[in-house]
Amino acid sequence: AQKVTQAQTEISVVEKEDVTLDCVYETRDTTYYLFWYKQPPSGELVFLIRRNSFDEQNEISGRYSWNFQKSTSSFNFTITASQVVDSAVYFCALIRGGSEKLVFGKGTKLTVNP
Amino acid sequence: NAGVTQTPKFQVLKTGQSMTLQCAQDMNHEYMSWYRQDPGMGLRLIHYSVGAGITDQGEVPNGYNVSRSTTEDFPLRLLSAAPSQTSVYFCASSYPGQGAVGELFFGEGSRLTVL
Repeated sequence: AQKVTQAQTEISVVEKEDVTLDCVYETRDTTYYLFWYKQPPSGELVFLIRRNSFDEQNEISGRYSWNFQKSTSSFNFTITASQVVDSAVYFCALIRGGSEKLVFGKGTKLTVNP
Repeated sequence: NAGVTQTPKFQVLKTGQSMTLQCAQDMNHEYMSWYRQDPGMGLRLIHYSVGAGITDQGEVPNGYNVSRSTTEDFPLRLLSAAPSQTSVYFCASSYPGQGAVGELFFGEGSRLTVL
């Protein structure tokens, strides 16, 4: 069975602080993909990043970075110099290779205060 | 581009009533799915389809039916609504290519309240 755990239910930071959102996953598959999705207050869900199980390179995109560690089954998401527009619910998700059935974590609500 | 369109955006039902949530996509995506989002529960897969004429159950299928007669449309039917089906429903589509696996395009959501 596949499972995604986001232990942080809510996080509140002040603008310009760095913040890391944790994601721990469970799977028996050797081929799988990990994702982060963002849900801003407006409600739509937006794809942020995909990582496959064979690529443990960290990824940086502007103020966003992702740290994938198979040894700890984690795929953490860091926002550097947070901004109010980063306020959203962030979901980590997992898919097994050959499937399109995403398994989502319960989400972490990030509030960035001015 | 319209993307994924869901209707209605809001609906109030009484227990026992039936209704259909409509979902249409104009991106020629093969894969479509329905999720429900409940507070503290994240998104849970209800039903999905890998192409016209093919559907399968997800994690929480009870009380819902789907069909996929065309590539574009994937309606979700509630045959006899129950208060436990009060939720926000999201339709999603994707093209299951190697470079796009798991990259779902979501509709704006449909908020359903069952009294």
